[in-house]
Amino acid sequence: GENVEQHPSTLSVQEGDSAVIKCTYSDSASNYFPWYKQELGKRPQLIIDIRSNVGEKKDQRIAVTLNKTAKHFSLHITETQPEDSAVYFCAAPREGSTLGRLYFGRGTQLTVWP
Amino acid sequence: DTEVTQTPKHLVMGMTNKKSLKCEQHMGHRAMYWYKQKAKKPPELMFVYSYEKLSINESVPSRFSPECPNSSLLNLHLHALQPEDSALYLCASSQDIRTSLGYNEQFFGPGTRLTVL
Repeated sequence: GENVEQHPSTLSVQEGDSAVIKCTYSDSASNYFPWYKQELGKRPQLIIDIRSNVGEKKDQRIAVTLNKTAKHFSLHITETQPEDSAVYFCAAPREGSTLGRLYFGRGTQLTVWP
Repeated sequence: DTEVTQTPKHLVMGMTNKKSLKCEQHMGHRAMYWYKQKAKKPPELMFVYSYEKLSINESVPSRFSPECPNSSLLNLHLHALQPEDSALYLCASSQDIRTSLGYNEQFFGPGTRLTVL
């Protein structure tokens, strides 16, 4: 099955700084990489995703980069704000016999200090 | 309607009780999922339904029994649970389970916080 590793497990930054969270995956057949944000007591919400046919995608202060050769992808948040504080999960699915299965990383607790 | 709804929000049950969790979506999605999430952990997949048929059962104990009565509804029947089953149970849906077609964005419901005494 897919193995998704996520680092770091906790990240503290000052408001206005950038934050980077990295994930590696094991299955070269994976072709879709979502990032979810989960605030305390809330549901996971998709914030950005990337497909294997592009190397980078940006949405305002959030960007995701993908390196298929090295099998890793990263979430970049610029100009962080206190409301960015949450747990962030990366994920990767596997096609084929386990169609529909989404493997989640262990999560990164991001704290943005004002 | 772009939401997945779940009821109840909270549930406390004894180990001999039988209860059900409910999930509903009206986005026309044909894939629905049950996840279990413990505190400070990622969601763990339990079941996947595709076109109302059970597609994946992640070796979940039989005290959890899923049901998909129609394309909009997903139930999780609970019986003889253990205290370690206490967790947040999340339902999710996606247009399809196939990522190659770009359909796999999963939308999560707010979850049911389950406590087993």
